[in-house]
Amino acid sequence: KAGVTQTPRYLIKTRGQQVTLSCSPISGHRSVSWYQQTPGQGLQFLFEYFSETQRNKGNFPGRFSGRQFSNSRSEMNVSTLELGDSALYLCASSLGQSSTDTQYFGPGTRLTVL
Amino acid sequence: KQEVTQIPAALSVPEGENLVLNCSFTDSAIYNLQWFRQDPGKGLTSLLLIQSSQREQTSGRLNASLDKSSGRSTLYIAASQPGDSATYLCAVQGGGFKTIFGAGTRLFVKA
Repeated sequence: KAGVTQTPRYLIKTRGQQVTLSCSPISGHRSVSWYQQTPGQGLQFLFEYFSETQRNKGNFPGRFSGRQFSNSRSEMNVSTLELGDSALYLCASSLGQSSTDTQYFGPGTRLTVL
Repeated sequence: KQEVTQIPAALSVPEGENLVLNCSFTDSAIYNLQWFRQDPGKGLTSLLLIQSSQREQTSGRLNASLDKSSGRSTLYIAASQPGDSATYLCAVQGGGFKTIFGAGTRLFVKA
């Protein structure tokens, strides 16, 4: 069974631009969560989607948004990029239906904002 | 607001030593606690998941315990090997499928 895939793996943008990252979950998984990882703040929860609905959201500005499609693939968008948005963005998928569900992570997208 | 703390921040041990990594959390209303390892520049690999009703889980040389009432979990690694060198992260999942991570423990196992 294929794992979680994220595209692109690396991205370089300039301040003020916007970016879209993509995540394809493991087949059969309906939950996708997004995280931002930086050296200073560690891993921080962005949002979680299940069956195309956002179930929870972390403490990030409205510039960070996401969506999930009917095939469970998810995208996150960051508008008006700032230098501080440089980070590793990780997505994780799970069945999403109970507390026994393990989260499986993708390799991440490394975003650099210049 | 849930806060997760991991101690120590870094650890260096000789090969073959048994070791314990610690994780504490402030809100005991959790659904589960999961331990991950992360290799440099890579994503996370799930090691063990303990449901809130469980006390421990084992996988090979790894054993994780959970004491929800005191807000603590430990990850025990037996007979450590150089390949165990990585950052170990604990994460708690509470209501709304929101997962909060600790800052991690960087482990270095010397050959």
